Amino acid sequence: KNEVEQSPQNLTAQEGEFITINCSYSVGISALHWLQQHPGGGIVSLFMLSSGKKKHGRLIATINIQEKHSSLHITASHPRDSAVYICAVGATGGSNYKLTFGKGTLLTVNP
Amino acid sequence: NAGVMQNPRHLVRRRGQEARLRCSPMKGHSHVYWYRQLPEEGLKFMVYLQKENIIDESGMPKERFSAEFPKEGPSILRIQQVVRGDSAAYFCASSPSGGTVGQFFGPGTRLTVL
Repeated sequence: KNEVEQSPQNLTAQEGEFITINCSYSVGISALHWLQQHPGGGIVSLFMLSSGKKKHGRLIATINIQEKHSSLHITASHPRDSAVYICAVGATGGSNYKLTFGKGTLLTVNP
Repeated sequence: NAGVMQNPRHLVRRRGQEARLRCSPMKGHSHVYWYRQLPEEGLKFMVYLQKENIIDESGMPKERFSAEFPKEGPSILRIQQVVRGDSAAYFCASSPSGGTVGQFFGPGTRLTVL
């Protein structure tokens, strides 16, 4: 079983819809990252968080350390948000640089 | 301020050849990480380097793969005698320090082994 599980694997939405992508992990972590990967493209770091909530534009990330769960929300979704969203967790202790990744959620936003 | 640079973006090799992937970290970053993304799989940590030192290579295959980050110049991921199973996207990330400071990713090198 993967240490980092994302759901759903695939998500199709209409422009303007509110999107939620979930991430659950099974180990203690130092921080959780949300990343965005466009098809054939590079990876952009969206958020790094270890508690609470962060907001950047239409993107909101939350984390519940006790429940080992994080969500990424996109408000007023747009076709340009179509991408793979990846959750990654940093190990604890001296290896906190070492990221373990989920398999990603493929989001398609239709106009 | 240029981001993390990787080249080449696409690399095609025949079985048995060598592949050299280069990563130039962001200015002021002395910590480099290499990740591999196999088709239909998630990213996997390979190696963590600081200037002239390999800190953690626990994710590197034991044979044929090596990495370096010299005092001058980019970090190099070297794959000798490539096989078809090495076909993947290889991403490099850099950070100003280790630990929980965010890592900035490069655009990746897509290696295809014929």
